[in-house]
Amino acid sequence: NAGVTQTPKFQVLKTGQSMTLQCAQDMNHNSMYWYRQDPGMGLRLIYYSASEGTTDKGEVPNGYNVSRLNKREFSLRLESAAPSQTSVYFCASNKDGGEYGYTFGSGTRLTVV
Amino acid sequence: AQSVTQPDIHITVSEGASLELRCNYSYGATPYLFWYVQSPGQGLQLLLKYFSGDTLVQGIKGFEAEFKRSQSSFNLRKPSVHWSDAAEYFCAVGAWGTGTASKLTFGTGTRLQVTL
Repeated sequence: NAGVTQTPKFQVLKTGQSMTLQCAQDMNHNSMYWYRQDPGMGLRLIYYSASEGTTDKGEVPNGYNVSRLNKREFSLRLESAAPSQTSVYFCASNKDGGEYGYTFGSGTRLTVV
Repeated sequence: AQSVTQPDIHITVSEGASLELRCNYSYGATPYLFWYVQSPGQGLQLLLKYFSGDTLVQGIKGFEAEFKRSQSSFNLRKPSVHWSDAAEYFCAVGAWGTGTASKLTFGTGTRLQVTL
């Protein structure tokens, strides 16, 4: 099993450009998440989705939008990138029930210049 | 709201020495607690988890953690560190609600350096 797959792995954007980060999981998990990781700040939740067709804001949603396209895929869109969005982005998924924890993708390193 | 504190930003230990990484949490009910490890340029890998039962939990790679409700702590330990354990370690606390997605809150991480 591939687990959680994120694309692209690296991306450089100019301020104001838009892009979509893709995430797909093949574990039949209902819940999916987007986190950003910044030095000294740990991981912060951007958006999450409890099931296909539903999305909710996390701790730092401003400047982002998400789409839960189907059960497998959960994309994160930056409409107008800003330097403050330079970060490493992680997608994760979770089997129903709190005791399983999350499975993480390998991350997308985004630089906005 | 839940929160996690990892008071040590950076720890250096010698190979073969014991290790303890501290984690304190704040949560209004019985928490789900996790430790994850992240090697450079990689995603996060689950080391171990606690959600009920025995307060001493065993994980992968020889790690263990002890849940102490009275101290709101979930410290990670390893009796003898290997050079390959050098990585960043994250503690996380989870909130699960009926009919809603779980949400994990992470600490800021502890970077472990291992000297030979």
